[in-house]
Parts: sequence; C-alpha cells; structure tokens
Amino acid sequence: QSVLRQPPSVSAAPRQEVTISCSGGSSNIGNNFVSWYQQFPGTAPKLLIYDNEKRPSGIPDRFSGSKFGTSATLGITGLQTGDEADYYCGTWDSTLSAMVFGGGTKLTVL
Amino acid sequence: QVQLVESGGGVVQPGRSLRLSCAASGFSFGDYAMYWVRQAPGKGLEWVAVIWFDGRQKHYADSAEGRFTISRDNSKKLLYLQMNSLRAEDTAVYYCAKDLIKTAVSGTGDYWGQGSLVTVSS
Repeated sequence: QSVLRQPPSVSAAPRQEVTISCSGGSSNIGNNFVSWYQQFPGTAPKLLIYDNEKRPSGIPDRFSGSKFGTSATLGITGLQTGDEADYYCGTWDSTLSAMVFGGGTKLTVL
Repeated sequence: QVQLVESGGGVVQPGRSLRLSCAASGFSFGDYAMYWVRQAPGKGLEWVAVIWFDGRQKHYADSAEGRFTISRDNSKKLLYLQMNSLRAEDTAVYYCAKDLIKTAVSGTGDYWGQGSLVTVSS
C-alpha cells in the first residue's frame, strides 16, 4: 500500500487534456515539495515536475504541476500518443524519514 | 552530463547476499544525497534507502531495515547497496538516483540510473 494515493489509470483522446491526482498527508505532501516522474516500459523514471510546479530543462510546458494542502495534481495538455506512460508522484515524508511515492497512474491516449 | 550506472545485479538464491554499485559522473558526487529505489516486476516504485551527502545519515524502508546497508565512497564516486538475507520478494529492478539539491535531502531524484535487475530464486 503506497503512502501517496493516485488513480490507477486515466485516459483521454489526443489533443485533449488530463489531470492526475496525488493525495497524501501533513507529514509528506502537506509540508514538502512534490515531484512527478514519467516512466515508459522498460526504462528508468524521468523527473517531470519538481518543487510542486517547476519543470526541468527540456520538459515541455504541456506538463504542469500544482499543490494545495495535502494534494497535488499533474496536468497534461495537448495529449500525444507519445505521452502514454506511467506517472508517479513523490515527495519526502518527514515523519517516516523516507522518500514516498504514489502507486502510479497509467495514462492511455485513446 | 550526469550519469549514473548501476552494476552487480543478477540471479541469487534466497538467503544469499548481493552488492549493487552505482558509478556516478558529471556532477560533484560528494555534495548530494543518494537514493536506492526498486521496482518489482509489473509494480510501482518503492524507495529502499537514502544516504546523506557525507554518509553520516542513512535511512531505510521497513522492508530493507536490518538486511540492507547503503554506503558510499565519495573519493571514488560510488554508491553501494549491500543486500543480505535476500528473499523472493526482493526481486526487482534497483535504481540509484541523485537528490535534486545540494547537501540536503529533498525527496526528489533528478537523475536516475538505468537500473540493475536482481532476481532472487532457487
């Protein structure tokens, strides 16, 4: 059972937008920055969003992040078939002294 | 450019030991905390351990506590994970990851290695 909670799957049509939610508590999301990772099958996770809303160099602005209280959201606009992947939220848990992740959300672009 | 390359994975019998290594390059290794994160086949990401930039603090997931040991050699730019008393449920791809910020632990891995597969089976 993951510390952070994400929907197992989301889907949307090409060129549409989708959001992925991530829910936690005061010891993790509530008091620490949230990151989002993108993972394609057979490859390592890639940092997509850090510090709740910042994008590393090279990540298109179609990807956005936000946080409110103990929840965070990843938004993807202008969906492309190449966005089909697993997406994970993550943060630090100050009580557990642990890096924690959501269970992952599989994005399908129909 | 930042590179992290894991090695040491393989097939091992239950109860035996294995040591993973992660060779770092392209950044000031001794300035950053480092993580081990694993992913069992078809499953999500599971944090295993973290070591502070200077090696003075280490924390482990409950599943690793008492069996795994994280360590580092800053002079050689190497990160290690010593895994003892391995179980079938330890079967996973093990990734090393670099922390986002210097001299602190943020919980964000900004660069990840390609992973090393550990299979525990008799």
